[in-house]
Amino acid sequence: GDSVTQMEGPVTLSEEAFLTINCTYTATGYPSLFWYVQYPGEGLQLLLKATKADDKGSNKGFEATYRKETTSFHLEKGSVQVSDSAVYFCALSGTGGSQGNLIFGKGTKLSVKP
Amino acid sequence: GAGVSQSPSNKVTEKGKDVELRCDPISGHTALYWYRQSLGQGLEFLIYFQGNSAPDKSGLPSDRFSAERTGGSVSTLTIQRTQQEDSAVYLCASSLRSGGAGEQYFGPGTRLTVT
Repeated sequence: GDSVTQMEGPVTLSEEAFLTINCTYTATGYPSLFWYVQYPGEGLQLLLKATKADDKGSNKGFEATYRKETTSFHLEKGSVQVSDSAVYFCALSGTGGSQGNLIFGKGTKLSVKP
Repeated sequence: GAGVSQSPSNKVTEKGKDVELRCDPISGHTALYWYRQSLGQGLEFLIYFQGNSAPDKSGLPSDRFSAERTGGSVSTLTIQRTQQEDSAVYLCASSLRSGGAGEQYFGPGTRLTVT
């Protein structure tokens, strides 16, 4: 079945450091790919998405490119801030049928120190 | 506008009791999803509704779990004879329609603790 693997955390960075969180997927079809973020004490919210190969999703300085050849969707940010501290989830939409349920990775906790 | 709301926010129950969790989706969203977030299993999909219909119930962990949706709006997830392994945060999400590319908007979750 479809699955998502993302790097284990926690990840601790200093402010203004470069961030990469790796995400790879396995899917039988052509899924849409997402990054969701969960800030402390808040609900899950969509950070960015890409719906087809070579698409780049971007938001709030974060970027991820849908790479079909490497089945990857790595999250990057050039200069992290303390306010980026959160748990980040890579996800894909289920390719079986039209239901569109999300399949999530385990999450990566990011802590950014001043 | 109002987002997805869930109630209660926290629920502590004794093993063997039944619980009902409620989800109010964003108005006009026809698709509604239930997920479970636990330390051991991460985020798991449970069930989805398109309108009032749940075409695929295979994500429900056991027959103690059931869900319904009425009027294309409010949904309830019921867990009968709760077990300790049911302790988790239950998340509800809605989207304009089912299908792969649409954004899902999540509620704050219900934290269920079974003692």
